[in-house]
Amino acid sequence: SQQGEEDPQALSIQEGENATMNCSYKTSINNLQWYRQNSGRGLVHLILIRSNEREKHSGRLRVTLDTSKKSSSLLITASRAADTASYFCATGNNDYKLSFGAGTTVTVRA
Amino acid sequence: EAGVAQSPRYKIIEKRQSVAFWCNPISGHATLYWYQQILGQGPKLLIQFQNNGVVDDSQLPKDRFSAERLKGVDSTLKIQPAKLEDSAVYLCASSFMTSGGLETQYFGPGTRLLVL
Repeated sequence: SQQGEEDPQALSIQEGENATMNCSYKTSINNLQWYRQNSGRGLVHLILIRSNEREKHSGRLRVTLDTSKKSSSLLITASRAADTASYFCATGNNDYKLSFGAGTTVTVRA
Repeated sequence: EAGVAQSPRYKIIEKRQSVAFWCNPISGHATLYWYQQILGQGPKLLIQFQNNGVVDDSQLPKDRFSAERLKGVDSTLKIQPAKLEDSAVYLCASSFMTSGGLETQYFGPGTRLLVL
């Protein structure tokens, strides 16, 4: 079974707007990672946040983690057409395995 | 640095036939993973190798799926016989093992399998 659940399932925004998606999980984690998947391609790692971190930034990406609520959010600021993709959260523990959610499909309209 | 290579990229077979997928991980990556991704879902781990040993194959349908990683480098995943529900993208990923399980996984482009 999949650990993470992303919300919303799909998101459509105008170029230049911000996109926010959320991930909830059930059991305790060591880290949480976000990946992007363009249509028909493999997944690309975006950012990793450790369980003792609350916020992390990478370029136009901002990730938050609330372990008390077992949730994370990914914010993409000033979206571009190239950000159109599916975004997955994945939870990790000390066993070198990741458990992926079902993903959020983001469409950025020109 | 070369990425994770997979072949073939696409495969169409009839049910009950057999199929094999190949993966070449990033050089130096000790851990290799095979995932199954059904349309509209996230990747599901099938098997995890550490060098040439199996770490976790609890989600691998062993009556029809098999995988090996000879010499701790390349890996093959086989399905025999295939069922309609095996239609999916099969993703290979590798990672450099560090302490604490904080490593990033690097994914190949995947093999898209259609079983008719």
